[in-house]
Amino acid sequence: DIQMTQSPSTLSASVGDRVTITCRASQSMSRRLAWYLQKPGKAPKLLIYNASSLESGVPSRFSGSGSGTEFTLTISSLQPDDFATYYCQHYSPFFHTFGQGTKLEIK
Amino acid sequence: EVQLVQSGAEVKKPGESLKISCKGSGYGFSNFWVAWVRQMPGKGLEWIGIIYLGDSDTRYTRYSPSFQAQVTISADKSIGTAYLQWNSLKASDTAIYYCARQTPIMDLYHFDFWGQGTLVTVSS
Repeated sequence: DIQMTQSPSTLSASVGDRVTITCRASQSMSRRLAWYLQKPGKAPKLLIYNASSLESGVPSRFSGSGSGTEFTLTISSLQPDDFATYYCQHYSPFFHTFGQGTKLEIK
Repeated sequence: EVQLVQSGAEVKKPGESLKISCKGSGYGFSNFWVAWVRQMPGKGLEWIGIIYLGDSDTRYTRYSPSFQAQVTISADKSIGTAYLQWNSLKASDTAIYYCARQTPIMDLYHFDFWGQGTLVTVSS
C-alpha cells in the first residue's frame, strides 16, 4: 500500500507569506492526490484534487502541483483564515490514505 | 446541494455495541460511494472503508487493512444512509468519525462533501 509523508509537520508563518507544504508518496501514484484543510472542531474541506485542480469556491491563492511521488500545496499569500491543519490524500478506486498533516501556525 | 448529516455523539462502555449513521441528501445521492474516516483525539485522518449506496451487495464494500474485522460498514439504499458499526467497543475506539462522499467525477476518487462528524467516547 502507498504511504504518504507530509512535511513539515508544523509550519509557522505570517499573514502575507507564501508557504509550501510537501507530500511524498512511497511509490508513484500519477496525479491521484487531493489536499484538504481542517480547522479545529470542523470537518475537513476539499481544496485541491487531481494534484492541481482547484475545487469550486476555493480561493485562487491555493495551488497544487506535482505528479508521481512528490506533490506540493502552495498558498501564495497567507490570510488569517488559512491558519489550520492541512492533509494530503492519495486516492484510488478502493483505497485511500492520508498524510499525517501539517499544522500551519501564526508566527 | 449535497449534504451529509451524521448521528449525534455517543458515550459507551467497553464491550458495548454501537451503530452510527450518515444520511445523504441532494440529487441522486443513493448512487454514490460513501467513506468513513476516523480522527483520534489530537491526531490525523485515517481511512476506514467505503461503501456504494446504490447496491446492497457486499462486493461494493471495501475496508482499510487496519480496520478490517474491527468494524462493519453497511448501507440502506432506500433511505440513502450509510452506517458504521462496532460489535464490541474498546477505549481505543474513542474518536471523531466522519463520513464523506466520494466524488462522482469519472476516474477521480477524492472526497468532495463531508459530514459534520460523530464523536464516539468509550469509557468505563
